[in-house]
Amino acid sequence: KAGVTQTPRYLIKTRGQQVTLSCSPISGHRSVSWYQQTPGQGLQFLFEYFSETQRNKGNFPGRFSGRQFSNSRSEMNVSTLELGDSALYLCASSLPDFYGYTFGSGTRLTVV
Amino acid sequence: TQLLEQSPQFLSIQEGENLTVYCNSSSVFSSLQWYRQEPGEGPVLLVTVVTGGEVKKLKRLTFQFGDARKDSSLHITAAQPGDTGLYLCAGVTRSNDYKLSFGAGTTVTVRA
Repeated sequence: KAGVTQTPRYLIKTRGQQVTLSCSPISGHRSVSWYQQTPGQGLQFLFEYFSETQRNKGNFPGRFSGRQFSNSRSEMNVSTLELGDSALYLCASSLPDFYGYTFGSGTRLTVV
Repeated sequence: TQLLEQSPQFLSIQEGENLTVYCNSSSVFSSLQWYRQEPGEGPVLLVTVVTGGEVKKLKRLTFQFGDARKDSSLHITAAQPGDTGLYLCAGVTRSNDYKLSFGAGTTVTVRA
């Protein structure tokens, strides 16, 4: 079966711009989580969605937002980009039991 | 402060040697997962443990979940160069079921 698909794989943006990243979960997975990974901070939780509802949010500024559509696909948006937002953004989907997450390959965002 | 503390941070061994990675916390987890990540890719789930004292084996990899469900270990027997990667433990607590928290990771290098 198809895995978790994230698009685009690579992105270069300028400070002050905004960006939208997309995630298509495994068919049947209704929970989608987003993570930011940097060398210094590791994997940091951004937010989790289930049936179009955000159930949990990490400690990130309001510039980071997300949403989930009725087909479980999810997007995250970062507005007013800063250099420190450069990171690998990972999306993961799971069944409601949370016994295993399947990650996508990520979107490498570089802010210049 | 990380909810999960992993040790060691780096491990470099010769092919054929054994290694153990530790994951500790003061919190109780309803489930704990181990992932392996290669550069530029998303983490891949290796195992999920849910019962205190549980031991799971995956070929040369042995995973243990502490009796109190606060700690875990990953042991690799006769390591091979293909075992090289970043090993991450991650857990879900009962109080925060919708959030998977990660340790900082252990970078394992197996030299041929």
